[in-house]
Parts: sequence; structure tokens; C-alpha cells
Amino acid sequence: KNQVEQSPQSLIILEGKNCTLQCNYTVSPFSNLRWYKQDTGRGPVSLTIMTFSENTKSNGRYTATLDADTKQSSLHITASQLSDSASYICVVSWDNFNKFYFGSGTKLNVKP
Amino acid sequence: SAVISQKPSRDICQRGTSLTIQCQVDSQVTMMFWYRQQPGQSLTLIATANQGSEATYESGFVIDKFPISRPNLTFSTLTVSNMSPEDSSIYLCSVEEGETQYFGPGTRLLVL
Repeated sequence: KNQVEQSPQSLIILEGKNCTLQCNYTVSPFSNLRWYKQDTGRGPVSLTIMTFSENTKSNGRYTATLDADTKQSSLHITASQLSDSASYICVVSWDNFNKFYFGSGTKLNVKP
Repeated sequence: SAVISQKPSRDICQRGTSLTIQCQVDSQVTMMFWYRQQPGQSLTLIATANQGSEATYESGFVIDKFPISRPNLTFSTLTVSNMSPEDSSIYLCSVEEGETQYFGPGTRLLVL
């Protein structure tokens, strides 16, 4: 069964600290993996997208890594800011157009 | 990047009524997607809407409950029919441009 699991479910960190969010998936065949940021009450916004041949991709303070062998991805946030408080969703695309599997998200709360 | 707007942004409806949600994109796109996000959960794909053809529904969603229109390449509507409190959710439309998926701001629906 194709699944995407994220951990932790929620996370509280202090402003300025780093954190890493995890995403494990069983989707196969795999096309690409995306990380989204979703602010409360807003639609998700794309942060990174990686194909199976890419190991890492950065977008400002966000760095995503991918290990296609172990089917694991992580999203590392550096020097967190209060505006990073949001849900972060991992989405894996099946090797068939328009089939996406969504993780349940990690809710990050950055405190001053 | 695609800019997506949705109307209404939120609504409170009575059980048994229907609500039509509009989605407008600022560029022409072949496929539009409709998602539901129930409270505290991740996104679930309802259907894929192609211009000029019937929408393709995911398992658990049927056309009688969620009729979709796609009259042109920049516009789509999703109707939530004969609503019940279980339909209370955020409904989002989405498009793909290149490798990136863009989401609308969502329509927050509360059914009493």
C-alpha cells in the first residue's frame, strides 16, 4: 500500500534554532517528492521538489534531502523564524501522472 | 507562477443545501485538481478536472455528491451537494505548472 508518514506530528522550537522534519514513504514506483508549507488558513505553498536522482535541494533556509534507497526524506530548517510556524507537508508522486500521496504533516511552532 | 483565487473564501451552510465553489487561475492550464482538507488532517484529492471532459473522481468521491464543471482552461467549479456536517472542511483547488503544484487559498466550509 502506498503511504507517506511524517514525524514528528508536532514540534515546538525556539526562534533561531534549527530543526529537522522527517518523511518516510512506501510509494512505488516513485516520481518525485515535494515539501509544502501551509500557514494556518491558507493553501499549501511549494518549498522544494526532488526527483529520485536528487539528494538535496535548498530554498533559502529550507534544505530537503532525499534517500531514494531507504525511501526517506527530511526537511531541515535553519535559524528558524516566527514566520516558520506552519504545517509542513510531504507529498510523494507516484510514477503515474497526477497521483499524489500526502503525508499528514508536521505542525511546527516557533516560539520567541 | 500560477495565481489561483477561490470564491467564497468561507461559508456557513445549512444541512441539505448545496454550495458551489469557484476556482479561477490567471493562466491556461490543462488539469485542475480539487482537494479536501478536513480539520487537523492532510489533503485528500477529490477529483481531477480536465477541460472538455468528465472529471475523474478518486475512490470515495462521486459525481452526484461533488459535481465539477470545467468550462474553460482558467476556471472550474466544485459543488458540494446535499451537505451534512461531515462535509465541513477546507476545499482547495490546485494546478500544476511545470514541476510545481500551486494551490488556491481554500474555501472554508462549515455545515450546521
